[in-house]
This record gives sequence, C-alpha cells and structure tokens, in this order.
Amino acid sequence: EAEVAQSPRYKITEKSQAVAFWCDPISGHATLYWYRQILGQGPELLVQFQDESVVDDSQLPKDRFSAERLKGVDSTLKIQPAELGDSAMYLCASSLVTGTDTQYFGPGTRLTVL
Amino acid sequence: QKEVEQDPGPLSVPEGAIVSLNCTYSNSAFQYFMWYRQYSRKGPELLMYTYSSGNKEDGRFTAQVDKSSKYISLFIRDSQPSDSATYLCAMSDGTASKLTFGTGTRLQVTL
Repeated sequence: EAEVAQSPRYKITEKSQAVAFWCDPISGHATLYWYRQILGQGPELLVQFQDESVVDDSQLPKDRFSAERLKGVDSTLKIQPAELGDSAMYLCASSLVTGTDTQYFGPGTRLTVL
Repeated sequence: QKEVEQDPGPLSVPEGAIVSLNCTYSNSAFQYFMWYRQYSRKGPELLMYTYSSGNKEDGRFTAQVDKSSKYISLFIRDSQPSDSATYLCAMSDGTASKLTFGTGTRLQVTL
C-alpha cells in the first residue's frame, strides 16, 4: 500500500538553528499539504501545494518558514531560525486532486527545540 | 471561539463498550466531515468520510452528521484495546481542500 514518506522522524535542535523536513507524497498525488500539530491540539495547515505551485500559505510564518516543491513531487519545509515555540509534530499529507479528495498523512516529524 | 469544538477527554471505557465521540462546529459552509484516528507518535489515518447529513457505517464504526444542529458523532461498537488512540474530527467546505480539525479526543479501552 502506497504511503506518504517523511524524514527525519525525530529532530532535536537548539533555538536559532536551521532545520529542514522532507516529504515524499503518494505517487501521482498532485496536492501536498504541510500541517503543524502542537501537543494536545489538532493539525493546522501551514501550506498547500498544487503540483509545484503554492495554493494556500496564509498560515505559514513567512519570516522564518519556507516551503518548496520544485518539481511537483517531493517537498521540503524549512525553519530558520528555530524558536522554542516551534516544537511540534510536522505532518505532511497528500491527495490525488484538490477539493474533496481524501488526504493521506505521513508519520510526521517530531521537532523539539531546546 | 474555535470553528470546531471537541472534548479532549481522556475517555476511558471497558472492552466491549459502545463509544460515542462528538464534535460541534460553527461554520455552516462545512459539507464534508471526516474522522481520523491517530495513534501515539503517528500520523492521522482516515476512518470515516461523509458528505452532508446522514449516517454511514463501516464495520464497528458509524458516523453521523446532523447539519441542522452542526453536530457530528462517531460511534464505535464492541470497543477493543486496539481502539485506544486519539480521534480527530475534521471538516471542509469542499472548495479548496483545507481541513479544519478538532483538538482530538483521547480514548482508552481497558481490559
């Protein structure tokens, strides 16, 4: 069964350092999402891609976060510099098309900022 | 006030019990309703997907949507210890895929 892949699974960093997360969606899925899930809360959308184009990044803190999906396949989310409040689970999801199609989630990257 | 409200629990039930999980919402534009199950330190996995009002059944799971009351429920029959997880409701208005999640309810099924 096809799955969304993410790496690393765990990342510990010190504040002010740069971190990067990678996501490989299910093959053929045009839409890719990055969510942030703070402990005890539901996931919140950070950015949505349709192929290589950003569809929604209204909740992405653009002063420190960036995301790219250069060839419309895998994607990287970067934080520079990391802050203590960035400690969370970063989830990647993909769907075949945009709209009402089911979103499939990866295992997530758990980030701890010290 | 959050768009989607969900009791965080924890909810503890004995094995074999019927479990009822609920969410309320305020945005009348929501038309697509989902329940995800999330085990500790894992990503959410889709359990149920329903459109508009009504019921949907899949094995031991039943999802109900009452749009007039802005209230959705997930019922789990014959609960098992393997059902112990956090259950997240999610909703969409269907235009741009954006999901709005509840905070999740942590369920523990005991032997």
